[in-house]
Amino acid sequence: ETGVTQSPTHLIKTRGQQVTLRCSSQSGHNTVSWYQQALGQGPQFIFQYYREEENGRGNFPPRFSGLQFPNYSSELNVNALELDDSALYLCASSWGIGAARGKEQYFGPGTRLTVT
Amino acid sequence: AQSVTQPDIHITVSEGASLELRCNYSYGATPYLFWYVQSPGQGLQLLLKYFSGDTLVQGIKGFEAEFKRSQSSFNLRKPSVHWSDAAEYFCAVGGTDTDKLIFGTGTRLQVFP
Repeated sequence: ETGVTQSPTHLIKTRGQQVTLRCSSQSGHNTVSWYQQALGQGPQFIFQYYREEENGRGNFPPRFSGLQFPNYSSELNVNALELDDSALYLCASSWGIGAARGKEQYFGPGTRLTVT
Repeated sequence: AQSVTQPDIHITVSEGASLELRCNYSYGATPYLFWYVQSPGQGLQLLLKYFSGDTLVQGIKGFEAEFKRSQSSFNLRKPSVHWSDAAEYFCAVGGTDTDKLIFGTGTRLQVFP
């Protein structure tokens, strides 16, 4: 059984640029959630994708967008990068929706994004 | 507003000592509560979760947590800490009206030999 993988591991971007982060969900999982974890903070929910549709969004501006593909892998895109976007971005997969209601989420190791 | 408070930013214990990490939550509906652990360079790993029933929950790695509704708390405990337990611990809350988890700011555990 393959766990959740994320790429790249680290990334450095300049303010104003765009970035794409990738996540491969655990085998058999059809739901992907993205979280932003700033330094010294807990993860904050960005959005969730279920069967290729956005299913819930946190308090993040529209320049944070995502996709989920037929194989249930996912991308997180961030446009017009700001310095405050520097963080660890975590992807979590699960089978079905209801992560906060019992369906366990499995987290990847994250992508460390630095915006200069 | 929904929130999770972990009042201890950093805790240091000796190996073999007991441990209690505090977590208080604010949630309007029936809460589902979780404890996760994060080691450096790693993602989050679920230690245990509470949905209903017995308020004392057993998890992996010898951890347990007790849900106290009257105190809005879900404290994590371990009777004897091992050096490998050094990590960041996060408490999180979810519920029937949302599919997102709300995390606390975490408690960093340091273990001395």
